[in-house]
Amino acid sequence: EDQVTQSPEALRLQEGESSSLNCSYTVSGLRGLFWYRQDPGKGPEFLFTLYSAGEEKEKERLKATLTKKESFLHITAPKPEDSATYLCAVQAMNTGFQKLVFGTGTRLLVSP
Amino acid sequence: GAGVSQSPRYKVAKRGQDVALRCDPISGHVSLFWYQQALGQGPEFLTYFQNEAQLDKSGLPSDRFFAERPEGSVSTLKIQRTQQEDSAVYLCASSLGRTGYQETQYFGPGTRLLVL
Repeated sequence: EDQVTQSPEALRLQEGESSSLNCSYTVSGLRGLFWYRQDPGKGPEFLFTLYSAGEEKEKERLKATLTKKESFLHITAPKPEDSATYLCAVQAMNTGFQKLVFGTGTRLLVSP
Repeated sequence: GAGVSQSPRYKVAKRGQDVALRCDPISGHVSLFWYQQALGQGPEFLTYFQNEAQLDKSGLPSDRFFAERPEGSVSTLKIQRTQQEDSAVYLCASSLGRTGYQETQYFGPGTRLLVL
C-alpha cells in the first residue's frame, strides 16, 4: 500500500530561522511527488512537482528536493506569511489512475 | 483566470438528510477529482472523472456516496442519508489533460459539511 509520512507534525520557527520539512514515501514506482500549501479554511495551493531522484525546485524562500525515499521542503529565512500547513502527496504507478495520496501535513507557524 | 469553485462553502445537515455539493472546474480541464479531508488530516481520494466518464470511484466510502459529471464540466457529489462520520471538508480538483499523470491538480476552496 502506498504511504506518505510527514514530519514533524508541527513546527514553530522564529522569523528568519531556516528549517526543513520531511516527507517520506513508500510507493511501488513514483510518477510524481507534489508539495502543496494549505491555509486555514482554504483548499491546497500547488507549490512544486518533482519527478525523479536528485531533482530540485525553488520558489522564493522554498526549495524542494527529492531522493528515492523522501523529499525535503527547505524554508530559508521564513516570514510570518509562510505560516500554513504544508502537504506532500505522491502519484504512484500502481494506483488507480491519477489519484494523489497525501500525508497528514506539517503545520508551520512563523513568529515575528 | 477563474480557478476551481465549489458551492456551498458551508453546509449543515441533520443526520439522515441528503446533500449535494457542486464543483465548477477550471474551464477546459478534462480531469476532475473529489477528495475528503477530515480535521487535521490530509485529503483522501474519493473519485475521478475524465470528461463525463467516472473512471475511478475506489475511494467512495459507501454506496451512500454518488458523484456525477453529466456534461463533462460541472460535477456534483451527492451524499444520501448523511451520518455524523461524513462531517469533513470535501475538496474538488481539476487538471488539464486526458492522462492526468504528473499533471498539477488545482484545488477549489472546499465545502465544509457538518452533520448534526
